[in-house]
Amino acid sequence: SYVLTQPPSVSVAPGQTARITCGGNNIGSKSVHWYQQKAGQAPVLVVYDDSDRPSGIPERFSGSNSGNTATLTISRVEAGDEADYFCQVWDSGSDPWVFGGGTKLTVL
Amino acid sequence: EVQLVESGGGLVQPGGSLRLSCAASGFTFSGYWMHWVRQVPGKGLEWVSRISRDGSIATYADSVKGRFTISRDNDKNTLFLQMDSLRAEDTGLYYCAGAGPRDWFDPWGQGTLVTVSS
Repeated sequence: SYVLTQPPSVSVAPGQTARITCGGNNIGSKSVHWYQQKAGQAPVLVVYDDSDRPSGIPERFSGSNSGNTATLTISRVEAGDEADYFCQVWDSGSDPWVFGGGTKLTVL
Repeated sequence: EVQLVESGGGLVQPGGSLRLSCAASGFTFSGYWMHWVRQVPGKGLEWVSRISRDGSIATYADSVKGRFTISRDNDKNTLFLQMDSLRAEDTGLYYCAGAGPRDWFDPWGQGTLVTVSS
């Protein structure tokens, strides 16, 4: 089955830019979706189809996808952005909906 | 307001059964494929099952195939997950979620906790 690899943690100071990667074999050929999960809450979709934002998601959240790596970029990071972030794709394997292991974003 | 509210979780012994429900409101439930996704607290997300708009097509993760059954009642705007032959590894928070046009998950419910333990 398809595997997505994320770094366990990323730390960034307020006002700086956070980049969270999601690695997979030729992931650039797939549509990647990103979710934010704050402590004790359900996941929320923040980026879909590599780089589109649902309504209500700040422009500070953006995404890119090429080759073997997709990236979620959060500009001008705020304390309220501290959360776990998960990438997700659809694959034609036996378990089609695949999630990365998640990255904990810490705002210093 | 779009809302999904899960219920039915609890403590069950290995080999037991539970039936989860997910009540939808604020959107046209019958127009959405729907999913169940689970999460061990503090761990990652795992897709469990999906059902088509009319309930005629159901898909399952290998880990639950033959033990779980997904269904829906569009008249009552409710999604279900019947879980039989439960195992300790089925323990987790179970979320229902809507299916986006290209296989993303949105919206999500708040989850219901299932604990399988003797």
